[in-house]
Amino acid sequence: QSVLTQPPSASGTPGQRVTISCSGSSSNIGSNTVNWYQQLPGTAPKLLIYSNNQRPSGVPDRFSGSKSGTSASLAISGLQSEDEADYYCAAWDDSLKGVFGTGTKVTVL
Amino acid sequence: EVQLVESGGVVVQPGGSLRLSCAASGFTFDDYAMHWVRQAPGKGLEWVSLISWDGGSTYYADSVKGRFTISRDNSKNSLYLQMNSLRAEDTALYYCAKDRTSGGGRWLQLDYWGQGTLVTVSS
Repeated sequence: QSVLTQPPSASGTPGQRVTISCSGSSSNIGSNTVNWYQQLPGTAPKLLIYSNNQRPSGVPDRFSGSKSGTSASLAISGLQSEDEADYYCAAWDDSLKGVFGTGTKVTVL
Repeated sequence: EVQLVESGGVVVQPGGSLRLSCAASGFTFDDYAMHWVRQAPGKGLEWVSLISWDGGSTYYADSVKGRFTISRDNSKNSLYLQMNSLRAEDTALYYCAKDRTSGGGRWLQLDYWGQGTLVTVSS
């Protein structure tokens, strides 16, 4: 039921920059802010970015978010082994429901 | 320290009912909207439902509308999800999550999550 589309996988070597895209529509990303979640294996999701580009306290500045039109992106710079996880974008939809992205598995080579 | 502890997940037959609970502590519960999010085994996250700080507004995913009911008891710092007419596709780990914003919660900024409670719908 996901209406936000992400690539299924992304990878990089330690120190590299990895970018994950999130494509939506005018009723969700186009008119509401985007949030990003990180889910480490076997754990609950964690809020990584909110309001398109804001980091909660404690989130390293290696993580950054951006939004343009009906798409958003999460960038991880200086990739580290502990960044290996699943990443999800999320936004409110004007049809009065929340929507998550399809998820992207990041692998550190 | 914010804590969210879900309970109530069990194995239930198709067509059955179940009530999930989420006990909250470490923050002023009645200041914040609350959500339920689920994750089927090996699958991605699916938003299920949202309730405003005062319970006055509720929202549901299309997949559960008319079958699930979200509620809260601010006097008990507790969130609930009544699940009726359960289907095999409702099998998932159900997370309770706090919204970062006070008020209505229509931003999907979930800053604290519980560890989840597993619901299995099977005959």
